[in-house]
Amino acid sequence: DAKTTQPNSMESNEEEPVHLPCNHSTISGTDYIHWYRQLPSQGPEYVIHGLTSNVNNRMASLAIAEDRKSSTLILHRATLRDAAVYYCIRFSQGGSEKLVFGKGTKLTVNP
Amino acid sequence: NAGVMQNPRHLVRRRGQEARLRCSPMKGHSHVYWYRQLPEEGLKFMVYLQKENIIDESGMPKERFSAEFPKEGPSILRIQQVVRGDSAAYFCASSPLDGRAVGYTFGSGTRLTVV
Repeated sequence: DAKTTQPNSMESNEEEPVHLPCNHSTISGTDYIHWYRQLPSQGPEYVIHGLTSNVNNRMASLAIAEDRKSSTLILHRATLRDAAVYYCIRFSQGGSEKLVFGKGTKLTVNP
Repeated sequence: NAGVMQNPRHLVRRRGQEARLRCSPMKGHSHVYWYRQLPEEGLKFMVYLQKENIIDESGMPKERFSAEFPKEGPSILRIQQVVRGDSAAYFCASSPLDGRAVGYTFGSGTRLTVV
C-alpha cells in the first residue's frame, strides 16, 4: 500500500516555488520515497526519489524530514507545464516492487 | 536511448473482439509493470512481470485478461472478448533489477476504446 497522505489539490503562480507535502508517518528505515507526476492525457513521469538525505535533480528537489515521517517535493520555479497530479509513494524495502498510486495532489499553476 | 515504447497509442475494438497491447521496456530493463486508468480515475496496478515469469498478478481481473513477457520481444497485455468497461488507458512501466532504488519509467500508454 502507498500509506502516504497528500493534499487533494494545491495552487501556485507561475515562476514561484511550489512545495508539495507528503506525510508518511509509518515509514520504516529502509523505505524509499518516490515522486511521480501525471500531466493531462499523458503517462506518469518519474520526478525524484530518496531514502534519507535530501535529493536534487534537474526537475525538482526532495526534502526529507529528519524523522522521515514526511517529505516535501520542491519545484523551484513553477511553469504552466508543471500543472499535473503529483504522487508521493512509499516503498517498503522488503515488500513488493510495484508502485501503488494514491489520489495524489492536483497542482494548478496560474499564469 | 528510447524510453518505454507502447503500441498502439490508440486502439478501437468492438465488443467481443480481442485487444493486444504491446510494451517494449527500456534497454537493459528486465522488469515490466502494467497499469490501468479508467476515465476520471486513478492508476491501478494490474501485473508485474520479469522475463518469462509473472511475479505479481494481484491486480489482474480473473477472467479475460492475461499478460506475458517472453524471452524475446515485447510484453503483451491481452484482453479477450472486450466489453465497454475495458475502455481505459493502459500504461506500462519498466525498471532495472530493483526499481525502488532507481525509479520506474513509464510509456505513453495505449488508449483502448470499446464500441
